[in-house]
Order: sequence, then C-alpha cells, then structure tokens
Amino acid sequence: DAGVIQSPRHEVTEMGQEVTLRCKPISGHNSLFWYRQTMMRGLELLIYFNNNVPIDDSGMPEDRFSAKMPNASFSTLKIQPSEPRDSAVYFCASSITGGLQPQHFGDGTRLSIL
Amino acid sequence: DQQVKQNSPSLSVQEGRISILNCDYTNSMFDYFLWYKKYPAEGPTFLISISSIKDKNEDGRFTVFLNKSAKHLSLHIVPSQPGDSAVYFCAASDGRYGNKLVFGAGTILRVKS
Repeated sequence: DAGVIQSPRHEVTEMGQEVTLRCKPISGHNSLFWYRQTMMRGLELLIYFNNNVPIDDSGMPEDRFSAKMPNASFSTLKIQPSEPRDSAVYFCASSITGGLQPQHFGDGTRLSIL
Repeated sequence: DQQVKQNSPSLSVQEGRISILNCDYTNSMFDYFLWYKKYPAEGPTFLISISSIKDKNEDGRFTVFLNKSAKHLSLHIVPSQPGDSAVYFCAASDGRYGNKLVFGAGTILRVKS
C-alpha cells in the first residue's frame, strides 16, 4: 500500500516567493495533519483536517500560511510571501479518525528560503 | 508550555543490551500514547502505542510501560540492534480532539556494535 506522499521533497526559493507544498494521504484515511519540524521548536502541529474540513488551525504561525483540502486525496500548504525563518522540514500525516489510530507520516519537504 | 517532555536528548547503548527511553507528560487528559522512530531524511514511523487503560504493551523487542500516577511512560528495546539507531519521539493524544497529537522533543538513540 502506498503511504503518505509529499511533494516536492526539497524546495529552495528566494524570500518573497510563493511556496506550495503538496500531500496525498493514505487512501481511506479521513484525518490529515500538517507539521513543521525545526531545531528550536521540534515537531509542531500547524493544522489538521477531518473529512476535508479544517478543525484546528491554531498552530498556523501567520496569515502568510494557508492550507486547503479540496478533496479526500489531496491537500496543500501554501506560504505567501515566504521568509527565511520559514525554512524547516514540513511533514504531512494522515490517519483514520476515531478509536486509537496512529498517524502515518510522509517523508517531508525540506524547505529552504534564501 | 511543554506538555510532553523527553528530558534525555541522547542515549548510547551497546548492541544486545536494553535501551530505555523515557517520557513525561503534564496533561492528565491524555489517554493515548505513542512512540515514533525517525531516520534522517525520512518521516516519523509509528512504532508502538498504549491506551491509558493499560500499563504495558508489548510488540516483539519493543515494550511500552505507562505509569499514570507518575505521568510517565517508557519504551524498552530488548535486545538493542544497530538498526535501532534513530530519533525516538514520544507523543500523546487527548481523545476530545480526535487524533491530534502532542510530540516530545525526541531522543537520539545510538546503538554501538
């Protein structure tokens, strides 16, 4: 079975540019999570969706960050405009809602803003 | 406010011996706990979990122990193997918020051969 698929794996861009990260969750999973990992803050939850609806976006750092889930098999995390402090590894994870279900992670997108 | 704490940034263990990774939490509403393993350039991989109604869960070489009164859990790996060298994250969930997880900072485990 395919796991969570993230693209691109690496992104290098200049400050001020728009960045779009993509995620395809595991088929049948109805919860989707976006995380950011940095040395200073560790692994922090940015936003999560349940059945394509955003449930908690309290972790989104600023209005420059936005996330969408137009259907059950695709989500995007967008940063516009990007800043050097946004450099981090961004992970997407999915799970089945309810019960005691673990989240399954993609391999992440390493983002570098110059 | 760190709700999940892994106070040991790193641990070094000889191959074949036991590895014990520790995790403390502060939120008494947490009722589901998980351990993830992470290799460089990969995403965290689910390893083992435990519900708050249990105090022990075992899966092969991996055992997780939960002490609710102390708000403490630990992961035991026996015997440790060089392939176990990775970063281990402890995570906790409050069922009121679905599958939302709070992660600890991670512990780097090095198993020496």
